[in-house]
Amino acid sequence: SQTIHQWPATLVQPVGSPLSLECTVEGTSNPNLYWYRQAAGRGLQLLFYSVGIGQISSEVPQNLSASRPQDRQFILSSKKLLLSDSGFYLCACKAGTGSNEQFFGPGTRLTVL
Amino acid sequence: AQKVTQAQTEISVVEKEDVTLDCVYETRDTTYYLFWYKQPPSGELVFLIRRNSFDEQNEISGRYSWNFQKSTSSFNFTITASQVVDSAVYFCALSEDPFSGGYQKVTFGTGTKLQVIP
Repeated sequence: SQTIHQWPATLVQPVGSPLSLECTVEGTSNPNLYWYRQAAGRGLQLLFYSVGIGQISSEVPQNLSASRPQDRQFILSSKKLLLSDSGFYLCACKAGTGSNEQFFGPGTRLTVL
Repeated sequence: AQKVTQAQTEISVVEKEDVTLDCVYETRDTTYYLFWYKQPPSGELVFLIRRNSFDEQNEISGRYSWNFQKSTSSFNFTITASQVVDSAVYFCALSEDPFSGGYQKVTFGTGTKLQVIP
Protein backbone atom coordinates (compact mmCIF):
# COMPACT_ATOMS: atom_id res chain seq x y z
CA SER A 1 0.00 0.00 0.00
CA GLN A 2 1.08 3.55 -0.59
CA THR A 3 2.60 5.90 1.95
CA ILE A 4 2.36 9.65 1.55
CA HIS A 5 4.87 12.00 3.09
CA GLN A 6 4.41 15.71 3.52
CA TRP A 7 6.73 18.35 4.86
CA PRO A 8 6.99 20.48 6.69
CA ALA A 9 4.35 19.48 9.22
CA THR A 10 3.81 23.04 10.36
CA LEU A 11 4.88 26.36 8.94
CA VAL A 12 4.51 29.98 9.99
CA GLN A 13 5.27 32.48 7.27
CA PRO A 14 4.90 36.26 6.91
CA VAL A 15 2.63 37.77 4.30
CA GLY A 16 4.47 38.24 1.02
CA SER A 17 6.97 35.45 1.59
CA PRO A 18 7.33 32.46 -0.78
CA LEU A 19 6.03 28.98 -0.09
CA SER A 20 7.05 25.48 -1.02
CA LEU A 21 5.27 22.42 0.32
CA GLU A 22 6.39 19.00 -0.74
CA CYS A 23 4.55 15.72 -1.06
CA THR A 24 6.16 12.41 -1.95
CA VAL A 25 4.54 9.04 -2.43
CA GLU A 26 5.89 5.55 -1.90
CA GLY A 27 4.49 2.19 -2.83
CA THR A 28 2.75 2.99 -6.09
CA SER A 29 3.56 4.04 -9.63
CA ASN A 30 1.80 6.50 -11.92
CA PRO A 31 -0.50 7.78 -9.21
CA ASN A 32 -2.99 10.59 -9.52
CA LEU A 33 -1.95 13.27 -7.05
CA TYR A 34 -4.04 15.98 -5.43
CA TRP A 35 -3.59 19.06 -3.28
CA TYR A 36 -6.44 20.03 -0.99
CA ARG A 37 -6.81 22.90 1.40
CA GLN A 38 -8.91 22.79 4.53
CA ALA A 39 -9.68 26.09 6.24
CA ALA A 40 -10.27 25.94 9.99
CA GLY A 41 -13.50 24.10 10.73
CA ARG A 42 -14.35 23.75 7.07
CA GLY A 43 -14.45 21.04 4.44
CA LEU A 44 -11.90 20.12 1.82
CA GLN A 45 -11.26 22.29 -1.20
CA LEU A 46 -9.47 20.71 -4.15
CA LEU A 47 -6.71 23.01 -5.37
CA PHE A 48 -4.76 21.01 -7.96
CA TYR A 49 -4.61 17.54 -9.40
CA SER A 50 -2.10 15.77 -11.57
CA VAL A 51 -2.41 12.60 -13.64
CA GLY A 52 1.26 12.48 -14.62
CA ILE A 53 4.65 14.20 -14.65
CA GLY A 54 4.33 17.80 -15.72
CA GLN A 55 0.53 17.56 -15.96
CA ILE A 56 -1.18 19.94 -13.59
CA SER A 57 -4.79 21.07 -13.51
CA SER A 58 -6.13 23.79 -11.30
CA GLU A 59 -9.58 23.67 -9.81
CA VAL A 60 -9.81 27.22 -8.51
CA PRO A 61 -8.02 30.45 -9.43
CA GLN A 62 -5.70 31.44 -6.66
CA ASN A 63 -2.35 32.62 -5.47
CA LEU A 64 -0.84 29.15 -5.54
CA SER A 65 0.77 26.92 -8.15
CA ALA A 66 1.72 23.26 -8.31
CA SER A 67 4.34 21.22 -10.07
CA ARG A 68 5.08 17.54 -10.54
CA PRO A 69 8.74 17.15 -11.43
CA GLN A 70 8.78 13.39 -10.77
CA ASP A 71 6.19 10.62 -10.86
CA ARG A 72 5.86 10.49 -7.09
CA GLN A 73 6.59 14.09 -6.16
CA PHE A 74 4.07 16.90 -5.99
CA ILE A 75 4.96 20.43 -4.94
CA LEU A 76 2.71 23.30 -3.93
CA SER A 77 4.19 26.78 -4.26
CA SER A 78 3.50 30.45 -3.96
CA LYS A 79 5.62 33.46 -4.82
CA LYS A 80 3.90 35.73 -2.31
CA LEU A 81 1.69 34.42 0.46
CA LEU A 82 -1.56 36.08 1.45
CA LEU A 83 -3.29 35.93 4.81
CA SER A 84 -6.06 33.92 3.15
CA ASP A 85 -3.57 31.18 2.28
CA SER A 86 -3.55 30.02 5.89
CA GLY A 87 -4.97 26.56 6.34
CA PHE A 88 -4.30 22.87 6.47
CA TYR A 89 -2.88 21.50 3.23
CA LEU A 90 -3.38 17.87 2.41
CA CYS A 91 -1.76 15.87 -0.33
CA ALA A 92 -3.66 12.85 -1.59
CA CYS A 93 -2.87 9.98 -3.87
CA LYS A 94 -4.95 7.59 -5.91
CA ALA A 95 -3.26 4.57 -7.41
CA GLY A 96 -3.17 4.73 -11.19
CA THR A 97 -5.21 1.62 -11.73
CA GLY A 98 -7.25 -0.82 -9.72
CA SER A 99 -8.10 1.57 -6.95
CA ASN A 100 -10.77 4.17 -6.47
CA GLU A 101 -10.14 5.68 -3.08
CA GLN A 102 -7.73 8.49 -2.32
CA PHE A 103 -5.23 8.18 0.48
CA PHE A 104 -4.04 11.21 2.34
CA GLY A 105 -0.80 12.42 3.78
CA PRO A 106 -0.43 13.81 7.30
CA GLY A 107 -0.90 17.40 6.13
CA THR A 108 0.90 20.71 6.57
CA ARG A 109 -0.56 23.38 8.81
CA LEU A 110 0.29 26.78 7.35
CA THR A 111 -0.18 30.02 9.24
CA VAL A 112 0.40 33.25 7.39
CA LEU A 113 0.91 36.27 9.65
CA ALA B 1 -22.87 18.25 -10.93
CA GLN B 2 -22.03 16.13 -7.94
CA LYS B 3 -22.98 17.14 -4.44
CA VAL B 4 -22.59 15.60 -0.99
CA THR B 5 -24.59 16.87 1.96
CA GLN B 6 -23.78 16.13 5.56
CA ALA B 7 -26.48 18.04 7.37
CA GLN B 8 -25.19 17.28 10.85
CA THR B 9 -22.43 19.75 11.62
CA GLU B 10 -21.68 18.51 15.13
CA ILE B 11 -22.93 15.60 17.20
CA SER B 12 -22.23 14.83 20.83
CA VAL B 13 -22.94 11.46 22.38
CA VAL B 14 -22.08 9.79 25.63
CA GLU B 15 -19.70 6.89 25.46
CA LYS B 16 -21.34 3.56 24.61
CA GLU B 17 -24.23 5.20 22.81
CA ASP B 18 -24.88 4.38 19.17
CA VAL B 19 -24.63 7.24 16.67
CA THR B 20 -25.52 7.57 12.99
CA LEU B 21 -23.90 10.07 10.67
CA ASP B 22 -26.01 11.01 7.70
CA CYS B 23 -24.83 11.47 4.14
CA VAL B 24 -26.99 12.38 1.16
CA TYR B 25 -25.55 12.65 -2.33
CA GLU B 26 -26.51 13.87 -5.79
CA THR B 27 -25.06 12.66 -9.06
CA ARG B 28 -26.14 12.09 -12.64
CA ASP B 29 -23.70 9.25 -13.11
CA THR B 30 -25.04 5.73 -13.11
CA THR B 31 -21.68 4.42 -11.93
CA TYR B 32 -20.15 6.11 -8.95
CA TYR B 33 -18.36 5.46 -5.70
CA LEU B 34 -19.05 6.54 -2.16
CA PHE B 35 -16.51 6.84 0.63
CA TRP B 36 -16.24 7.65 4.30
CA TYR B 37 -13.13 9.16 5.85
CA LYS B 38 -12.23 9.88 9.46
CA GLN B 39 -10.19 12.92 10.44
CA PRO B 40 -8.93 12.67 14.02
CA PRO B 41 -7.50 15.73 15.79
CA SER B 42 -4.08 14.97 14.31
CA GLY B 43 -5.50 16.04 10.94
CA GLU B 44 -4.74 13.16 8.61
CA LEU B 45 -7.73 11.76 6.76
CA VAL B 46 -8.10 8.04 7.27
CA PHE B 47 -9.95 6.03 4.65
CA LEU B 48 -12.73 3.90 6.16
CA ILE B 49 -14.81 2.41 3.37
CA ARG B 50 -15.61 2.48 -0.33
CA ARG B 51 -18.88 1.40 -1.85
CA ASN B 52 -19.75 1.30 -5.56
CA SER B 53 -23.15 2.18 -6.93
CA PHE B 54 -23.95 -1.39 -7.93
CA ASP B 55 -23.49 -2.83 -4.48
CA GLU B 56 -26.24 -1.90 -2.06
CA GLN B 57 -25.38 -4.48 0.52
CA ASN B 58 -24.85 -3.04 3.94
CA GLU B 59 -21.44 -3.55 5.42
CA ILE B 60 -20.31 -4.09 8.96
CA SER B 61 -16.78 -3.80 10.25
CA GLY B 62 -16.53 -4.23 13.98
CA ARG B 63 -18.45 -1.38 15.58
CA TYR B 64 -18.85 0.40 12.24
CA SER B 65 -21.66 -0.21 9.80
CA TRP B 66 -22.78 1.49 6.63
CA ASN B 67 -26.24 1.66 5.10
CA PHE B 68 -26.32 2.46 1.38
CA GLN B 69 -29.73 3.16 -0.13
CA LYS B 70 -29.88 4.28 -3.76
CA SER B 71 -33.61 4.97 -3.51
CA THR B 72 -32.95 7.81 -1.08
CA SER B 73 -29.40 8.62 -2.31
CA SER B 74 -28.05 8.08 1.15
CA PHE B 75 -24.96 6.45 2.56
CA ASN B 76 -25.23 6.59 6.33
CA PHE B 77 -22.59 5.55 8.81
CA THR B 78 -23.37 4.09 12.22
CA ILE B 79 -20.99 3.63 15.10
CA THR B 80 -22.20 1.17 17.70
CA ALA B 81 -21.16 1.50 21.34
CA SER B 82 -19.19 4.65 20.66
CA GLN B 83 -15.84 5.22 22.31
CA VAL B 84 -13.83 8.34 23.06
CA VAL B 85 -11.37 7.37 20.32
CA ASP B 86 -14.20 7.75 17.81
CA SER B 87 -14.14 11.51 18.38
CA ALA B 88 -13.22 13.01 15.03
CA VAL B 89 -14.58 14.74 11.98
CA TYR B 90 -16.12 12.32 9.52
CA PHE B 91 -16.35 13.07 5.81
CA CYS B 92 -18.56 11.44 3.26
CA ALA B 93 -17.36 11.63 -0.34
CA LEU B 94 -18.55 10.78 -3.85
CA SER B 95 -16.59 10.12 -7.01
CA GLU B 96 -17.49 9.44 -10.59
CA ASP B 97 -16.54 6.26 -12.36
CA PRO B 98 -12.73 6.28 -12.35
CA PHE B 99 -12.65 4.53 -15.68
CA SER B 100 -14.54 7.30 -17.42
CA GLY B 101 -11.35 9.28 -17.79
CA GLY B 102 -7.87 9.81 -16.43
CA TYR B 103 -8.95 12.13 -13.69
CA GLN B 104 -11.26 11.10 -10.92
CA LYS B 105 -12.89 14.00 -9.13
CA VAL B 106 -13.96 13.38 -5.58
CA THR B 107 -16.58 15.58 -4.02
CA PHE B 108 -16.44 15.79 -0.24
CA GLY B 109 -19.17 16.73 2.16
CA THR B 110 -18.49 19.43 4.73
CA GLY B 111 -17.98 16.88 7.48
CA THR B 112 -19.65 15.97 10.75
CA LYS B 113 -17.76 16.56 13.96
CA LEU B 114 -18.43 13.76 16.42
CA GLN B 115 -17.63 14.21 20.07
CA VAL B 116 -17.87 11.20 22.32
CA ILE B 117 -18.09 12.19 25.96
CA PRO B 118 -16.69 9.78 28.53
